[in-house]
Amino acid sequence: DAGVTQSPTHLIKTRGQQVTLRCSPKSGHDTVSWYQQALGQGPQFIFQYYEEEERQRGNFPDRFSGHQFPNYSSELNVNALLLGDSALYLCASSLDGRFYNEQFFGPGTRLTVL
Amino acid sequence: AQRVTQPEKLLSVFKGAPVELKCNYSYSGSPELFWYVQYSRQRLQLLLRHISRESIKGFTADLNKGETSFHLKKPFAQEEDSAMYYCALMRYQKVTFGTGTKLQVIP
Repeated sequence: DAGVTQSPTHLIKTRGQQVTLRCSPKSGHDTVSWYQQALGQGPQFIFQYYEEEERQRGNFPDRFSGHQFPNYSSELNVNALLLGDSALYLCASSLDGRFYNEQFFGPGTRLTVL
Repeated sequence: AQRVTQPEKLLSVFKGAPVELKCNYSYSGSPELFWYVQYSRQRLQLLLRHISRESIKGFTADLNKGETSFHLKKPFAQEEDSAMYYCALMRYQKVTFGTGTKLQVIP
């Protein structure tokens, strides 16, 4: 099991563009959470998907949206990119209902907005 | 709103010295608290959670509700403990992380 995988590894976009990041959860996991980690900061919770629906959301604007597919993989979409969206985007998967829902993190996608 | 504070960005200790990484939280209910660790060039991973009252790699953390703290401790630091440590609070599936403390163990 490769664990949580994310693609692409790195991405460069310009302001105003749209981006899609992808995440495949650890085998057997059904819940995916997305985080944004700016340089020198801790991860900030964007949202969580379970059963193909957004279950919980952090303080992020509607420009940030997501999707979960029947195979539990997930996408994070960001529209109208701003310079401040430059960050490492982390995906974490877990198994709903498991003891305290331990999250397993992917390696992240480094997004640079120019 | 839930908040996690890690007051130290960098903590340097000598090998064999005790380690205490501070974490304070603000939340009125019963929190679920965790410590995550990120070693160089590795992924963020769970170190321990308060409910388990476990000791992992010699680290322990006690929840002090009166002081709203969840400090991470180890009696004798090892070089392999050098890493970034994040305290995190979870409520209703939403996880709030602190800004992290970089632990540097000096040989």
